[in-house]
Amino acid sequence: DTEVTQTPKHLVMGMTNKKSLKCEQHMGHRAMYWYKQKAKKPPELMFVYSYEKLSINESVPSRFSPECPNSSLLNLHLHALQPEDSALYLCASSQVLVRGFGEQFFGPGTRLTVL
Amino acid sequence: DAKTTQPTSMDCAEGRAANLPCNHSTISGNEYVYWYRQIHSQGPQYIIHGLKNNETNEMASLIITEDRKSSTLILPHATLRDTAVYYCIVRVETREWGMRFGAGTRLTVKP
Repeated sequence: DTEVTQTPKHLVMGMTNKKSLKCEQHMGHRAMYWYKQKAKKPPELMFVYSYEKLSINESVPSRFSPECPNSSLLNLHLHALQPEDSALYLCASSQVLVRGFGEQFFGPGTRLTVL
Repeated sequence: DAKTTQPTSMDCAEGRAANLPCNHSTISGNEYVYWYRQIHSQGPQYIIHGLKNNETNEMASLIITEDRKSSTLILPHATLRDTAVYYCIVRVETREWGMRFGAGTRLTVKP
């Protein structure tokens, strides 16, 4: 299995809702990432997990809460989002090698719309 | 990580080679050059990476100048399916900083 899967593909939520995005990989990668991509912009890093521990939080608002329950799974919990949070949310994973962190493999993304 | 500069857009005729340049004049000795592409509404796709030697795989070739201040990604026989935004990224592999995407080059392959 050489792919990163993300569910759901599309999500529409109200500002008072709580929802979660899910990302899964079975490549044995020990680093996992969340990115946010607004329309016509490049992806922006949000969080990095290394060996299931949060190692980087790019000053993301607390209404986004990541979780890495095991080495194959990464979640992003969403609560009290704003319409400007509407974006494509991308998950990626990479090997942790002797030389460092290898190339990242991206999932297809979850397109989130906040009403 | 070093900053990269890429042309905003390029066109290429189908079947011809597409040569995408990237300038990274402030690159340091332990920084790798990575290339990704993103086809509309899909996740970015890894293409190739290198440190100082030229690299080739089934998708593309990467040519890095001797001073490492610039590089060129070559798609040898572009097809319509190669139409995408191509990102050149310079990064240190020992840091778990993720990929820092710039604006990229929008390549349009025309029939």
